[in-house]
Amino acid sequence: QQQVKQSPQSLIVQKGGISIINCAYENTAFDYFPWYQQFPGKGPALLIAIRPDVSEKKEGRFTISFNKSAKQFSLHIMDSQPGDSATYFCAASKDNFNKFYFGSGTKLNVKP
Amino acid sequence: DGGITQSPKYLFRKEGQNVTLSCEQNLNHDAMYWYRQDPGQGLRLIYYSQIVNDFQKGDIAEGYSVSREKKESFPLTVTSAQKNPTAFYLCATSSGPWEQFFGPGTRLTVL
Repeated sequence: QQQVKQSPQSLIVQKGGISIINCAYENTAFDYFPWYQQFPGKGPALLIAIRPDVSEKKEGRFTISFNKSAKQFSLHIMDSQPGDSATYFCAASKDNFNKFYFGSGTKLNVKP
Repeated sequence: DGGITQSPKYLFRKEGQNVTLSCEQNLNHDAMYWYRQDPGQGLRLIYYSQIVNDFQKGDIAEGYSVSREKKESFPLTVTSAQKNPTAFYLCATSSGPWEQFFGPGTRLTVL
């Protein structure tokens, strides 16, 4: 059973637009929800992360929105730029788990 | 990147051959992980290790083996039993249940 479901699989956004990627999780025990950014041929890098005690976290143009009751969280990229074109992964974990559970990834293409 | 080294960057394997992918870290992290990445399938966990001389199977361990003799090193062997090994392999480390740090990856191709 897939623990974290991510959508859409791919996304095309015009420069300056808002990119929105959604994730849903099954296990209510998860208490850490990071987003990773991956450029082609590179390893993923942490972009932003949130704990369930807050509903939103913003870092620059990147915002995570968290809905605990719906078991959903999303990444919003404001004023999207061509340099944001990459694959984005959501993930979930818990402090006494040994593993991270990753979504299937969203390939974002920001057109100039 | 940044304290995690994977080698080689590209690796070619002939049918029936075992190959070993290297992962070394200088972050002093206890936990190390191996993931396989195929297009459109995200990251799938192969093996992970929380401490030296101990490791656990992930979701797709068949056809792979690992060792953890040193804290800094977690090599992955892709055996001939892995029928479809062509993929991008990522090593990661963590100091706890929070952030995972990823290496630059090794791209394995079967000839």
